Amino acid sequence: EVQLVESGGGLVQPGGSLRLSCVTSGFTISTYPMNWVRQAPGKGLEWVSHISFSGGSTYYAHSVKGRFTISRDNSKNTVYLQLSSLRAEDTAVYYCARDFFAFDQWGQGTLVTVSS
Amino acid sequence: DIQMTQSPSTLSASIGDRVTITCRASQSLSSWLAWYQQKPGKAPKLLIYKASTLAGGVPSRFSGSASGTEFTLTISSLQPDDSATYYCQQYNNFSWTFGHGSKVDVK
Repeated sequence: EVQLVESGGGLVQPGGSLRLSCVTSGFTISTYPMNWVRQAPGKGLEWVSHISFSGGSTYYAHSVKGRFTISRDNSKNTVYLQLSSLRAEDTAVYYCARDFFAFDQWGQGTLVTVSS
Repeated sequence: DIQMTQSPSTLSASIGDRVTITCRASQSLSSWLAWYQQKPGKAPKLLIYKASTLAGGVPSRFSGSASGTEFTLTISSLQPDDSATYYCQQYNNFSWTFGHGSKVDVK
């Protein structure tokens, strides 16, 4: 069974940092690109970042470029999202998603709240 | 960046009704268009990819089509379990954009 489990969310002050993890199982992660998608409370979905299957290429939404960093450790079946210089508008549930023609498998999400 | 205009934002329909949701892209994006269903408190679920290909395990009452920059999700016979918010998503040049969502209420 394919599973993606996010963790690392929590309450952080504006300007702070956080690292999210997405641990996967049930498939060979090294053969799939991966993404992070977020959803602010009561709002729609926003794509955040993409990493190629090897980790050699990364892409970001304009809203997070220069502040967030995506990475992966295929030996640990894990994808990461480092969040820095956090702002109130970064408050959201963050989902990781497998990329196979579209985002075909999703985790349950982890909530990040940016507030003083 | 390509913008996606999704409509309607909300709709209410009865069991057995045919329901159509539309997404219009601000420029051509070939067929890299997907549709997702999201229920409250849950992660999105992939329904359709490449504009018209049904994802595994998705009921055949869901279908997708494309005409130029206009993409359509159709539910042929609405069921109680279809109450959810539906999002389109485009992919172009390593950038992905979601529509703003269409909330479907089953009367």
